[in-house]
Amino acid sequence: SYVLTQPPSVSVAPGQTAKITCAGDHLETQSVHWYQQRPGQAPVLVVYDDSDRPSGIPERFSGSNSANTATLTISRVEAGDEADYYCQVWDRRSEHVVFGGGTKVTVL
Amino acid sequence: QVQLVESGGGVVQPGSSLTLSCAASGFSFSSYVMYWVRQAPGKGLEWVALIWSEGNKKFYSDAVKGRFTISRDNSNNTLYLHMNSLRVDDTAVFYCARDRTLKNWGQGTLVTVSS
Repeated sequence: SYVLTQPPSVSVAPGQTAKITCAGDHLETQSVHWYQQRPGQAPVLVVYDDSDRPSGIPERFSGSNSANTATLTISRVEAGDEADYYCQVWDRRSEHVVFGGGTKVTVL
Repeated sequence: QVQLVESGGGVVQPGSSLTLSCAASGFSFSSYVMYWVRQAPGKGLEWVALIWSEGNKKFYSDAVKGRFTISRDNSNNTLYLHMNSLRVDDTAVFYCARDRTLKNWGQGTLVTVSS
C-alpha cells in the first residue's frame, strides 16, 4: 500500500519559517492536501492540490510538490500555528485515501 | 455556512454494532463525495470510507472492509456509517468530511469499544 512519510516533529521560533515534508513514491504525480489540527479540534484544510489555499487561510501557508516530496511552508510562524499537520493523497492504484503520519509543529 | 454534525457514538462491547450519522447543511449535499475519517486516542488521522455523490461507488480501508458500510440519504442530507463486529482497536473519534479535498469536517463523535 502507498505510504506517506512525515517527520514526527518540527520546532521553530516565532517569526521564522517552518517547513514540513511529506515523502512518497512518485508523489509529484499526485495532488497533495494538507490539514492543520490543533489540540482537541477537528482538522482544517490549509492547502489543497499541492499549493492552493482555501479562502480564509493566511498567505503565510504555502505548499509545493516535486521529486517525491511535498512541502508545507509556514512563514512568519505564530504561536497559534502550533498544531499537528497531516498530508494526504488519493492513491489511484489502490483506490485508498492515504494520510501521512503527521508532524507536530512546536513554536519555541 | 457548511455544517457537518456527527452523532451516534458511545461505549459498546467488542463484537457489537453501531451506526454513526452525519447531518449536513449549508451546501448541496447530493453533489459531493463524502468521507469518514477516524482518529484513535493520541494517534494520527486514518481514512475509513468514502462514498460518491450519488452513492453508487464506495471505497473502504483494509482495516474496516467487510465490517463497516458507508451509505447516504441525499433526500435527508445525511451520511451514515454502519459498523459491525466492532473491536477494541476501533476506538476512535470518527469524523465526517466533504469534498475530494476534505474541505470541511465535523467535530467528530467518539466511539469507545471496551468490555
